[in-house]
Amino acid sequence: DTEVTQTPKHLVMGMTNKKSLKCEQHMGHRAMYWYKQKAKKPPELMFVYSYEKLSINESVPSRFSPECPNSSLLNLHLHALQPEDSALYLCASSLGVTFNYGYTFGSGTRLTVV
Amino acid sequence: DAKTTQPNSMESNEEEPVHLPCNHSTISGTDYIHWYRQLPSQGPEYVIHGLTSNVNNRMASLAIAEDRKSSTLILHRATLRDAAVYYCILRDATSYGKLTFGQGTILTVHP
Repeated sequence: DTEVTQTPKHLVMGMTNKKSLKCEQHMGHRAMYWYKQKAKKPPELMFVYSYEKLSINESVPSRFSPECPNSSLLNLHLHALQPEDSALYLCASSLGVTFNYGYTFGSGTRLTVV
Repeated sequence: DAKTTQPNSMESNEEEPVHLPCNHSTISGTDYIHWYRQLPSQGPEYVIHGLTSNVNNRMASLAIAEDRKSSTLILHRATLRDAAVYYCILRDATSYGKLTFGQGTILTVHP
């Protein structure tokens, strides 16, 4: 298995809703990442997990709450989002966080906040 | 991370070689040069990376200038499926998990 699987592929949520994005990989990768991508812009790093521990939070608002229950699974819990949070949310994984490893990305969850 | 400069867009014809340039004049000795691409409606995809020597894999070749201030990603025979945004990224040991994307080059491939 050489894929990162993200679910759901599309999500529409209201500003008062609570929802979660899920990401899964079975490549034995020990680093996992969340990125946010607005239309026509490059992906922007949100969070980095290494060995199931949060190691980098790029000053992301608390309405985004990441969770790494085990080495294969990464969640992003969403609460009280704003319309400007509408974007493509990408999950990625790599063998480790050192600079010589390539990343494998999922296809993303397209989130619309109404 | 040191900065990279890429052309905003390039065009190519199908089955012709494509040379995608990247300038990184402030590269340090420990910076690896990584290339990713993002096809429409998909997540980015790792293409290739290198440090000093030219590198080849099944997807592409990476040619690194002797002074390492520039590099070129070479697609030997472009196909319509190679139409994507190509990102050139520098990473060193201080990156610690940070893969930072610039604006990239939009490659259009004409049939």
